[in-house]
Amino acid sequence: AQRVTQPEKLLSVFKGAPVELKCNYSYSGSPELFWYVQYSRQRLQLLLRHISRESIKGFTADLNKGETSFHLKKPFAQEEDSAMYYCALSGRTSGTYKYIFGTGTRLKVLA
Amino acid sequence: GAGVSQSPSNKVTEKGKDVELRCDPISGHTALYWYRQSLGQGLEFLIYFQGNSAPDKSGLPSDRFSAERTGGSVSTLTIQRTQQEDSAVYLCASSTRQGTEAFFGQGTRLTVV
Repeated sequence: AQRVTQPEKLLSVFKGAPVELKCNYSYSGSPELFWYVQYSRQRLQLLLRHISRESIKGFTADLNKGETSFHLKKPFAQEEDSAMYYCALSGRTSGTYKYIFGTGTRLKVLA
Repeated sequence: GAGVSQSPSNKVTEKGKDVELRCDPISGHTALYWYRQSLGQGLEFLIYFQGNSAPDKSGLPSDRFSAERTGGSVSTLTIQRTQQEDSAVYLCASSTRQGTEAFFGQGTRLTVV
């Protein structure tokens, strides 16, 4: 079954502490993996994608095909990182690409 | 417009009434998704349209929910005989056929009283 799993509904960390948001996926093929973020009162928006291998707002995510994981990491959390984070994959089905989102993890960064 | 547009932004309806929610995707985007986001909760997939293909309705929670997409562009999500548990934010997103990024609307907040 094609699935994206985010095991934590809520993750609370203190400011300055490292943070890791977990994401595992199940997909028969080679999907593209993404992280999306929703700040309070804002739209869901793309944070980063694995093919870009970029660091956005200090966040990075490495695709581990062996473990089928795409965990989001940041070495030092900031209060402004508090938001809802969604892991997603885009996979090819019948010639087109379809998105599958996880159910999300709410990150709370405490002062 | 430049982004995904949803209307209305807010809708308050009485239990038992029907409601229609509208989504105007980015021009040229062949894929369109509807999701539901309950208070403090994550995304719940509802339905997916891709071009002229038959939609994936596997996420619709009951037969009171239906959606259509006219001319491969605007989509309407209809909820019949609304119930209080239908209260949520309904999100629409669109993407290209290649699925490189999904763009979300601002959502419609539905309150059933």
